[in-house]
Amino acid sequence: DSGVTQTPKHLITATGQRVTLRCSPRSGDLSVYWYQQSLDQGLQFLIHYYNGEERAKGNILERFSAQQFPDLHSELNLSSLELGDSALYFCASSATTGMNTEAFFGQGTRLTVV
Amino acid sequence: QQQVKQSPQSLIVQKGGISIINCAYENTAFDYFPWYQQFPGKGPALLIAIRPDVSEKKEGRFTISFNKSAKQFSLHIMDSQPGDSATYFCAASNGGFKTIFGAGTRLFVKA
Repeated sequence: DSGVTQTPKHLITATGQRVTLRCSPRSGDLSVYWYQQSLDQGLQFLIHYYNGEERAKGNILERFSAQQFPDLHSELNLSSLELGDSALYFCASSATTGMNTEAFFGQGTRLTVV
Repeated sequence: QQQVKQSPQSLIVQKGGISIINCAYENTAFDYFPWYQQFPGKGPALLIAIRPDVSEKKEGRFTISFNKSAKQFSLHIMDSQPGDSATYFCAASNGGFKTIFGAGTRLFVKA
């Protein structure tokens, strides 16, 4: 168990809908990262938050947004969903501002858009 | 410049053999090179990592070899076991704000 909790584990929704994925980082970790893993694809960095502030953006679509709350949990909001958004979404956390120390991944949320 | 190229895409190794996965990068600003192991249904987990000031790091059966001038690094798994069957990702980080992952290598170790 990495200590990073993601909910829900599975999500099935229709095209055009909006969903929210939740991540609770390890106790004490201030950084939260979101990654997308499509079938047979590597991990695509989406966004990084540190102590409530956005620090870096990757290949995140405008339809996607995220935030980190004062209690350090984070939410990834995906709207106007398309079939191609079906993927595993991972959250990771680390103690520092970056992933140049060990980062711990949650078990992911599998999103299926039908 | 932000890519990390990983090969092979898949690898089959006999039990007891050596598994070798290679990665190459372009951005010389990268300063941290971790390898992650991912089992089906699980999130990736850090396996071993290296910084560019050393050429090799060994932890048990896992060794990273790093060639700074060639901008390449590789993972060697000695005495490969069926339990090592997983997907392996190399990655590169530049000051930590953004970590770029390779596409992954699916390793299958035959018993």
